[in-house]
Amino acid sequence: DADVTQTPRNRITKTGKRIMLECSQTKGHDRMYWYRQDPGLGLRLIYYSFDVKDINKGEISDGYSVSRQAQAKFSLSLESAIPNQTALYFCATSDPTGGLETQYFGPGTRLLVL
Amino acid sequence: DQQVKQNSPSLSVQEGRISILNCDYTNSMFDYFLWYKKYPAEGPTFLISISSIKDKNEDGRFTVFLNKSAKHLSLHIVPSQPGDSAVYFCAASGWSSGDKLTFGTGTRLAVRP
Repeated sequence: DADVTQTPRNRITKTGKRIMLECSQTKGHDRMYWYRQDPGLGLRLIYYSFDVKDINKGEISDGYSVSRQAQAKFSLSLESAIPNQTALYFCATSDPTGGLETQYFGPGTRLLVL
Repeated sequence: DQQVKQNSPSLSVQEGRISILNCDYTNSMFDYFLWYKKYPAEGPTFLISISSIKDKNEDGRFTVFLNKSAKHLSLHIVPSQPGDSAVYFCAASGWSSGDKLTFGTGTRLAVRP
């Protein structure tokens, strides 16, 4: 079984709709992240959480919100989707106690906003 | 502003030859650097890393070089194999960034049989 899973893997929605992307991990890591990937822009950080009670905005948080329901679950919501939120979304986890900032990524969710 | 840059969007190399992927950064507070590899329909996977106290780190066919004065790192793959065809991202981290990773834009490597 995959250590970091994302659902759905693909989603098509319409402008103005609310949508939630979910992430679950079995690695036991405290830290979780949401990124989006756009062509030519690499991966950009949307939100991150260093533990269940710690939520922080990343560089492009506008239009997004998150919920850390448990250590293993971190959800990303688009309250009112717009076409420029069409992108590939990745969830990641990390364990800083290992001494290395190495992140483990889920397989991604491809989102299309019409 | 793009703090981590990969100026070559793509690279094509013959199988068996060396692949060299480059990455430049602007934030002098970065002290830890990583390379990730990404196949289509999969998430990025960690490949190799280097701390700023070193100038070279090697793992099998993969070697990362760090030139702190030039704020430049490179990934060498020798010999290149068709299975190495993927998108490669460099990433940087440091105390000033709160241990968050800042990613480059990626380089698509194609290894020709």
